[in-house]
Amino acid sequence: AQSVAQPEDQVNVAEGNPLTVKCTYSVSGNPYLFWYVQYPNRGLQFLLKYITGDNLVKGSYGFEAEFNKSQTSFHLKKPSALVSDSALYFCAVRALGGSYIPTFGRGTSLIVHP
Amino acid sequence: EAGVAQSPRYKIIEKRQSVAFWCNPISGHATLYWYQQILGQGPKLLIQFQNNGVVDDSQLPKDRFSAERLKGVDSTLKIQPAKLEDSAVYLCASSLETNQETQYFGPGTRLLVL
Repeated sequence: AQSVAQPEDQVNVAEGNPLTVKCTYSVSGNPYLFWYVQYPNRGLQFLLKYITGDNLVKGSYGFEAEFNKSQTSFHLKKPSALVSDSALYFCAVRALGGSYIPTFGRGTSLIVHP
Repeated sequence: EAGVAQSPRYKIIEKRQSVAFWCNPISGHATLYWYQQILGQGPKLLIQFQNNGVVDDSQLPKDRFSAERLKGVDSTLKIQPAKLEDSAVYLCASSLETNQETQYFGPGTRLLVL
């Protein structure tokens, strides 16, 4: 069975500071990992994904994520947070070549303070 | 490019009543997904269509939930009869093909069962 853990319900950061939203996963075989963002009263928006290749993946809005196989992690990062980054962030995983069903984490609320 | 359209945006019903949700994916997207997102949790895939065929419905509670995509374009998700625990946001998403993890989500339908 595959699973995703987002250990923090909420992350608070000051505008201009770097941010990290944590994600760890469990899957049989190689993982297919992605991050989505959900703004209030809107659907999820794709941010970035990792399949193979470079462990550092760059995505939309200046976000990036680092795949760490030994730690089974895929943390989302941004060098300088904006107030407009405040939203709910979801990490998801599925097994590469396996079932097409992705498993989502329960989400982390990011709050960026001015 | 128009996004994924869903209606209604909100629905309040009493338990044991029936309800239907509609989704129109992005034009040309072969794959359509229905998710259930309960408050405080990540989205859970209910069913996935490739054109008008079902790819996976293993997580769909088939005793009360049904979905169809007869012409391979828009889709409806029905709950009959509804239970209190069905209160959630129902998200529709689409992608070009089944292996495309870049899914585009609609705004969702928020269902409250009283």
